[in-house]
Amino acid sequence: DGGITQSPKYLFRKEGQNVTLSCEQNLNHDAMYWYRQDPGQGLRLIYYSQIVNDFQKGDIAEGYSVSREKKESFPLTVTSAQKNPTAFYLCASSIVGLAGGANTGELFFGEGSRLTVL
Amino acid sequence: AQSVSQHNHHVILSEAASLELGCNYSYGGTVNLFWYVQYPGQHLQLLLKYFSGDPLVKGIKGFEAEFIKSKFSFNLRKPSVQWSDTAEYFCAVNGGGGGFKTIFGAGTRLFVKA
Repeated sequence: DGGITQSPKYLFRKEGQNVTLSCEQNLNHDAMYWYRQDPGQGLRLIYYSQIVNDFQKGDIAEGYSVSREKKESFPLTVTSAQKNPTAFYLCASSIVGLAGGANTGELFFGEGSRLTVL
Repeated sequence: AQSVSQHNHHVILSEAASLELGCNYSYGGTVNLFWYVQYPGQHLQLLLKYFSGDPLVKGIKGFEAEFIKSKFSFNLRKPSVQWSDTAEYFCAVNGGGGGFKTIFGAGTRLFVKA
């Protein structure tokens, strides 16, 4: 079955430590995204990548970094500079240019990674 | 800047009651509209979507939504809810034109009493 795999599902870290969350997709989607979900705030876009070796900041990129070396993979690093890192992180992907069309914004999500910083 | 507003943060209904969840967005151009659902312990999944055409769209599990362009609204409806509809519902907007930023509302937690 095609899908998006995020790992780990739960992660505990001490303050000041960098953490990397994994996201792998086998949907052959070009675009990948990282969102952060906090209670009462919905999902906020951290970073997105339209294509391999290219990525753009979303609305709350400060304190985060990403890489896109392979089409299937889009890891997110939560650095010590992120002031409030405890959250639920969601990775998503989308089809771009299907049948000559543009990105529609329809997203396919992984199951999420819950990060708790102690 | 684009924004999405969901009117209710928490809704409690009894089974068989009708549901309407409000969603308004601010964006002046063409939009693609979505409702996503997150059942307890499960990943976010698409409930329904609107790109163009008939403004009344039907999704999975008996849900429908109506796009009213003049009101910048995309409200979600279901005539008769079930206990299994207990979930969090998110309205989302993409500015169309091939853009990559999909903006989400804060979510509405629905609890259906059996």
